Amino acid sequence: DVQMTQSPSSLSASVGDRVTITCQASQDISTYLNWYQQKPGHPPKLLISETSDLETGVPSRFSGSGSGTDFTLTISSLQPEDIATYFCQQYDRLSSFTFGQGTKLDIK
Amino acid sequence: EVQLVQSGAEVKKPGESLKIPCKGSGYSFSTYWIGWVRQVPGKGLEWMGMVYPGDAETRYSPSFQGQVTFSADRSITTAFLQWNSLKASDTAMYFCARRKLDAFDIWGQGTMVTVSS
Repeated sequence: DVQMTQSPSSLSASVGDRVTITCQASQDISTYLNWYQQKPGHPPKLLISETSDLETGVPSRFSGSGSGTDFTLTISSLQPEDIATYFCQQYDRLSSFTFGQGTKLDIK
Repeated sequence: EVQLVQSGAEVKKPGESLKIPCKGSGYSFSTYWIGWVRQVPGKGLEWMGMVYPGDAETRYSPSFQGQVTFSADRSITTAFLQWNSLKASDTAMYFCARRKLDAFDIWGQGTMVTVSS
């Protein structure tokens, strides 16, 4: 099974900061990497698919990059409404899905 | 509007059975896989497996194989997650989600299942 290692597990940043969250796969997953945002009391929301494709309605301050085993989610200028937990998720050729452990983001 | 609607919270005793629904609307229900995801309160997301309503094909994560059963009824555009004998360790929020390519693009609001004697 492909394992996903997400870091950091928690992060405090100020409004306007550039925030970076990383996700590392235990083997090459090409670009089959997605990012979700989950706010308390709500289901996850798909933000970015296929490493870098922003979903409709997602602010352009969010971006994704990477390939193979190393991936990054970047928020270019943190806004108060971005406070949430972020999860990466991979899909492998055995038709299996795996989520990262999550990164809890809050305002400093 | 494309949506998945799940039922309300359940409180059950160990050993009891349970079947929770996930009703899809606003899209061609039969042509998208429905995945199930477990989230223990305060913890991360675990993919349990999925069902294809078009032909009822199922795939299970090894961690959940034999522990739960997925099914779907196309006539009522509803997928189901079922337990035959609940354990305290099954206490969690359960989400259904529509699979789009290699991601889950539409999520239900979740059903909280509490198993306690």
